[in-house]
Amino acid sequence: AQKITQTQPGMFVQEKEAVTLDCTYDTSDPSYGLFWYKQPSSGEMIFLIYQGSYDQQNATEGRYSLNFQKARKSANLVISASQLGDSAMYFCLSGSEKLVFGKGTKLTVNP
Amino acid sequence: GAVVSQHPSRVICKSGTSVKIECRSLDFQATTMFWYRQFPKQSLMLMATSNEGSKATYEQGVEKDKFLINHASLTLSTLTVTSAHPEDSSFYICSAVAGEGTYEQYFGPGTRLTVT
Repeated sequence: AQKITQTQPGMFVQEKEAVTLDCTYDTSDPSYGLFWYKQPSSGEMIFLIYQGSYDQQNATEGRYSLNFQKARKSANLVISASQLGDSAMYFCLSGSEKLVFGKGTKLTVNP
Repeated sequence: GAVVSQHPSRVICKSGTSVKIECRSLDFQATTMFWYRQFPKQSLMLMATSNEGSKATYEQGVEKDKFLINHASLTLSTLTVTSAHPEDSSFYICSAVAGEGTYEQYFGPGTRLTVT
């Protein structure tokens, strides 16, 4: 069975600084995807970034980048130049057909 | 990008009644949709996988007779909470996969169910 571990229940960062949200995964599937979603207080799940297990390069989407280290089974999310609107819950997901969620990290961006 | 809608966004119902939640993929066909439940300050929990034209596959511990799922078309899946009780109060989110060979799921905005 797949498992996602997010060890940081809460993180704080100053506006305009970078922050790394940790995620490790455990899977026996040879092919899988890694995702990060953001969930603001309103509840909707917002897609941020995707990394395929066979992708050689780390994924980047604007201010978001995924630090993918396959041998260590880690897929940390890096948010550069944090903004106040980045304050939210962040979920790391892994899966092929079904997604497995981590417990999430609550990010608070301070002005 | 692909859009998934849910209706209603919020619903309050009395204990013992049934509530239907709709999940629609607006600009793509979804052969597979997923239903999740989220308790306050917790992660999403997968309830069931809904495949168009076939019976849903429920996760362990989810009562299929209580949470009825119907995936009648490639753009619509419904979740009916039957004989709702206060403990069924939760945030329900659906997601849809846009075709085979892709892992990305598009999430609906969620439905807040409150059973009084």
